[in-house]
Amino acid sequence: GNSVTQMEGPVTLSEEAFLTINCTYTATGYPSLFWYVQYPGEGLQLLLKATKADDKGSNKGFEATYRKETTSFHLEKGSVQVSDSAVYFCALSVLSFLTFGTGTQLKVEL
Amino acid sequence: GAVVSQHPSWVICKSGTSVKIECRSLDFQATTMFWYRQFPKQSLMLMATSNEGSKATYEQGVEKDKFLINHASLTLSTLTVTSAHPEDSSFYICSAGTSPPDTQYFGPGTRLTVL
Repeated sequence: GNSVTQMEGPVTLSEEAFLTINCTYTATGYPSLFWYVQYPGEGLQLLLKATKADDKGSNKGFEATYRKETTSFHLEKGSVQVSDSAVYFCALSVLSFLTFGTGTQLKVEL
Repeated sequence: GAVVSQHPSWVICKSGTSVKIECRSLDFQATTMFWYRQFPKQSLMLMATSNEGSKATYEQGVEKDKFLINHASLTLSTLTVTSAHPEDSSFYICSAGTSPPDTQYFGPGTRLTVL
């Protein structure tokens, strides 16, 4: 079956620190990979996506590269801000069905 | 573009009553809509998938008679929680996809509290 594994949180960083949230997956077929972000009390927003191997998704300073050889899609940002505090979900899609990781809470402090 | 709305954003109801949650795609036609449930500090659990004009497909363990889903048009799907009980209290999130639905667009969620 399909599954997504994310590093457990919470991850606490100081403002302007470098962020990495690890994500690995197992899937049958050729999945598309996504990162979604959920701010407190809100639904999910698509942050970025990649649809094939070696593609890099990027948005708002965040980026992730689809690594087929390591089945990974790690999320990175060079300099986080307090406003980035949220829960981040890694997900894969095969035949339109999304499988989510458990989410990683990020807390950014001044 | 690709905006999905949900109504209401939060609702409090008494045990035994029914609650209807609407999910609308505002600027695109959604051939497929998905309903998820999210427990505190947990991931999203897919409840059911609905296609316009056909019956919803429920995930294993989800009671179809309790969670009624109607996908009446390409822009509207509704989830009705019938005879709600406190254990049904949760955050319900819908998403909408186009054909082929490579990407799902999520609504802001509805927080249901059953007293």
